[in-house]
Amino acid sequence: GAVVSQHPSWVICKSGTSVKIECRSLDFQATTMFWYRQFPKQSLMLMATSNEGSKATYEQGVEKDKFLINHASLTLSTLTVTSAHPEDSSFYICSARRQGVANEKLFFGSGTQLSVL
Amino acid sequence: GNSVTQMEGPVTLSEEAFLTINCTYTATGYPSLFWYVQYPGEGLQLLLKATKADDKGSNKGFEATYRKETTSFHLEKGSVQVSDSAVYFCALSPSGNTPLVFGKGTRLSVIA
Repeated sequence: GAVVSQHPSWVICKSGTSVKIECRSLDFQATTMFWYRQFPKQSLMLMATSNEGSKATYEQGVEKDKFLINHASLTLSTLTVTSAHPEDSSFYICSARRQGVANEKLFFGSGTQLSVL
Repeated sequence: GNSVTQMEGPVTLSEEAFLTINCTYTATGYPSLFWYVQYPGEGLQLLLKATKADDKGSNKGFEATYRKETTSFHLEKGSVQVSDSAVYFCALSPSGNTPLVFGKGTRLSVIA
């Protein structure tokens, strides 16, 4: 079946540094990718939707200058947490959707646990 | 707005026990409903879905029925196995191409 690879699976960084998370669709072209965040004991919350070759659409309350999303190719999207702070510590998950396919055909990465010291 | 509420975990069961994970939703219109499962170290995978009222989704011995009158989509399995240990997410999609709305997830641990 289709596979989405997300890397790294966990990262610890110092406050003020930037962290990049990659999301790759390994055997299909993903025209749309979604980035989610989950705080402890909270729901997976959609952060942004990215379409290949265009700017990401951010959900209300998500700072686009802090969470930079790049979807430069049909198989790769990246999320960069800039100037990370402890409150950014969270679990981040990407998902990818094939072109022309409805939401139940989303494929998810295994997630990235970010801890900011 | 759209939201999903599912029971708090963790849930710990003995092998062959009956499982129920409650899920209720709030949505405008007629959403599609889903259960996703995340096994340790893996991405979320679609477990089952239902797209209209009274539909029953089923897969791998798991079942859930779309109950419009109670706005619920409870997940059940008659006899759980150790291999079912995972985190289960209830989700809804307001329409085919809108992003999924997830619940908090419920961690299930099955012990032999």
